[in-house]
Amino acid sequence: DTAVSQTPKYLVTQMGNDKSIKCEQNLGHDTMYWYKQDSKKFLKIMFSYNNKELIINETVPNRFSPKSPDKAHLNLHINSLELGDSAVYFCASSQDGVAGELFFGEGSRLTVL
Amino acid sequence: SQKIEQNSEALNIQEGKTATLTCNYTNYSPAYLQWYRQDPGRGPVFLLLIRENEKEKRKERLKVTFDTTLKQSLFHITASQPADSATYLCALAGRRALTFGSGTRLQVQP
Repeated sequence: DTAVSQTPKYLVTQMGNDKSIKCEQNLGHDTMYWYKQDSKKFLKIMFSYNNKELIINETVPNRFSPKSPDKAHLNLHINSLELGDSAVYFCASSQDGVAGELFFGEGSRLTVL
Repeated sequence: SQKIEQNSEALNIQEGKTATLTCNYTNYSPAYLQWYRQDPGRGPVFLLLIRENEKEKRKERLKVTFDTTLKQSLFHITASQPADSATYLCALAGRRALTFGSGTRLQVQP
């Protein structure tokens, strides 16, 4: 069983479209994250949810909206996609926050044309 | 501003040698520091966590040191193997999230 699963793995779309990426974890963790990895391989925190409540929102444009229907799911919706949104988006979860390890999904590669 | 620096150039070593990767940071006082491995097209995988009051941590062929005075962590892989080839990321614990370095790519030649 995959611990943290993301769908879709690849996403190719046109500028201006709206898209969503889904994430689910079956580890029973309280905290989930979205990270963005750009072409230079920097992993940057975007959002963090703890038990369905938003606790981090790191200077991310309003076009990005996370949604956590329950503590096992954290979805990312992106409106009006721009070329600069092209990146790999990683979902992760942890039980102990920064004091424990993060479990990452396999990533969702978004290409905006 | 807070900064994490890892050598952006790839590290090439011969099989059997010890690989040493460096993570330097500024304007941080992390309580924890972690190391992850990332293979192409995959998500990062946790390797080791070291606390600020620990000088050294070991796990099988891996060893991490943490010098809060120098603001540096060293990551060692002894008896390296071609299967150790990957990108290694260090991550520092902020107040609410981990902040990652850009990683160092390690290539172990057979």
